[in-house]
Amino acid sequence: AQKITQTQPGMFVQEKEAVTLDCTYDTSDQSYGLFWYKQPSSGEMIFLIYQGSYDEQNATEGRYSLNFQKARKSANLVISASQLGDSAMYFCAMNSGNTGKLIFGQGTTLQVKP
Amino acid sequence: DTGVSQNPRHKITKRGQNVTFRCDPISEHNRLYWYRQTLGQGPEFLTYFQNEAQLEKSRLLSDRFSAERPKGSFSTLEIQRTEQGDSAMYLCASSLVVYEQFFGPGTRLTVL
Repeated sequence: AQKITQTQPGMFVQEKEAVTLDCTYDTSDQSYGLFWYKQPSSGEMIFLIYQGSYDEQNATEGRYSLNFQKARKSANLVISASQLGDSAMYFCAMNSGNTGKLIFGQGTTLQVKP
Repeated sequence: DTGVSQNPRHKITKRGQNVTFRCDPISEHNRLYWYRQTLGQGPEFLTYFQNEAQLEKSRLLSDRFSAERPKGSFSTLEIQRTEQGDSAMYLCASSLVVYEQFFGPGTRLTVL
């Protein structure tokens, strides 16, 4: 069965510093995708970044990058130059198969300090 | 606004009542998903539509839950005989390909 594990319930980071949010996954599938979403207190799920299992380069989107280590089954999110608006819950998710349904981790709450 | 929309945004109901939620996906997105999120947890998959066909249902979707997507456009999720344990955020997402999935703002259900 597929599983996503996020071991950091809460994280603090100083404004303008970089932060890494951990995510490990478990799957027996060869083809899968890894996602990160941001969920502010308003509740909407905002798509941040995607990494395919066959992608050789780490995905990047602006200040977000995904540190993909396939052998270790980890897909950590790196946020550079943190901003106060980055304070939110962050979810790692995985999909595989034809349906594309997402399996989510428990989430990490990030608080950015001024 | 071309994003995924959901209505209502909030619903308060009494135990035993029926409720129905609506999701309008991004235009031309043939894939539509429903998820449920309880406080402090990640979303959990409920069901998946490709066009009008419901192709997968989670075992979380008891017989009190039913979802439809007539004509492959909007979708509805109905909960019959609501229970307090149904209180949650119900999220809808749509996509055109498996490497993206865009979520709506959700419907927060409170069952008294």
